[in-house]
Amino acid sequence: GENVEQHPSTLSVQEGDSAVIKCTYSDSASNYFPWYKQELGKGPQLIIDIRSNVGEKKDQRIAVTLNKTAKHFSLHITETQPEDSAVYFCAASEGSYIPTFGRGTSLIVHP
Amino acid sequence: EPEVTQTPSHQVTQMGQEVILRCVPISNHLYFYWYRQILGQKVEFLVSFYNNEISEKSEIFDDQFSVERPDGSNFTLKIRSTKLEDSAMYFCASYDRASTGELFFGEGSRLTVL
Repeated sequence: GENVEQHPSTLSVQEGDSAVIKCTYSDSASNYFPWYKQELGKGPQLIIDIRSNVGEKKDQRIAVTLNKTAKHFSLHITETQPEDSAVYFCAASEGSYIPTFGRGTSLIVHP
Repeated sequence: EPEVTQTPSHQVTQMGQEVILRCVPISNHLYFYWYRQILGQKVEFLVSFYNNEISEKSEIFDDQFSVERPDGSNFTLKIRSTKLEDSAMYFCASYDRASTGELFFGEGSRLTVL
């Protein structure tokens, strides 16, 4: 089955800095890579996703890159704000259901 | 905005007791899931449910677990005889395959087994 590794487990940045979270996956058949944000006391919510036919996708301050050859994908958040503080999960799946999740990264943005 | 709702938000139970966690998925979704997250660990897939039957389950989902959709709106996870290691946050999710592929998660039910 799929195995997703995520690093770092904790990331602490100053407001305005960039944050990068990295994930690797094992199953070369995986073709859908969503990123979820989990705020305190809430369930994970999709913030961006990428499919294997593209290498990069951007939505305002967040972007995701995918390297299929190396089987890794990354989340980039620019100009971080305190409200970006949350746990971020990467995931991978073949198709778009039953994703396998990474362990999560706790992002702390200091004002 | 439509959302997945879960009850209870927190349940404390004694080892060996039965627990039922409830979920109301988004009304036009057809695929339903339970995930669990033990403190500090990964979000783990338990089971998926479609067309009133289990479509996939993980090795975690053993005979102690069951799911059902008793009335067309609720989607329940039952743990027959809880163990200490069942303590976790349980997330329900629903999915509309006709749309973007996004899983919509509820806010979770925290289960503490003493």
